[in-house]
Amino acid sequence: GENVEQHPSTLSVQEGDSAVIKCTYSDSASNYFPWYKQELGKGPQLIIDIRSNVGEKKDQRIAVTLNKTAKHFSLHITETQPEDSAVYFCAASSGAAGNKLTFGGGTRVLVKP
Amino acid sequence: SAVISQKPSRDICQRGTSLTIQCQVDSQVTMMFWYRQQPGQSLTLIATANQGSEATYESGFVIDKFPISRPNLTFSTLTVSNMSPEDSSIYLCSAGAAGGGTDTQYFGPGTRLTVL
Repeated sequence: GENVEQHPSTLSVQEGDSAVIKCTYSDSASNYFPWYKQELGKGPQLIIDIRSNVGEKKDQRIAVTLNKTAKHFSLHITETQPEDSAVYFCAASSGAAGNKLTFGGGTRVLVKP
Repeated sequence: SAVISQKPSRDICQRGTSLTIQCQVDSQVTMMFWYRQQPGQSLTLIATANQGSEATYESGFVIDKFPISRPNLTFSTLTVSNMSPEDSSIYLCSAGAAGGGTDTQYFGPGTRLTVL
């Protein structure tokens, strides 16, 4: 089955700096890669996703890149703000596997004012 | 997107009892899933809730422990049976996008379960 590794497990940045979280996946059949943000006491919130026919996608301060050959994808947050502090999860799925999401281990991001 | 609600939001239960968690979606969806998130950990898929047929369970999860119902395209329940303290977790349901979208998943707020 699919295995998703996520790094780093914790990330502390100064407000205004950029944050980068990296994930690798094992199953070459995976074709959908979402990122979720989970704040304390809440369910995961979808913040951006990318499909395997696209190399990069951007939405305001967040962007995701995908390298299918190397089987890795990354989340980039620019101009970080204190409200970006949360746990971020990457995930991967494929239609062939019933669209089941396999999650990375999570990254706890702390943005220091 | 889909708006998902769960009931109860949290509960404290005694060992050996069972708890049924409800998941309601604001529109008809093809796919619904149940996940478990142990304290400080990532999400692990328990099962896919199939409408009109038995749920499909992942390795390590069995129907006797986690029976699931999905009577229609907007509702599902997960029961945690014969609970032990190891079942203390957040239980989350997710649903695919309305209109039969196959891969995008939105999550409910979760049910925080503590077993004493």
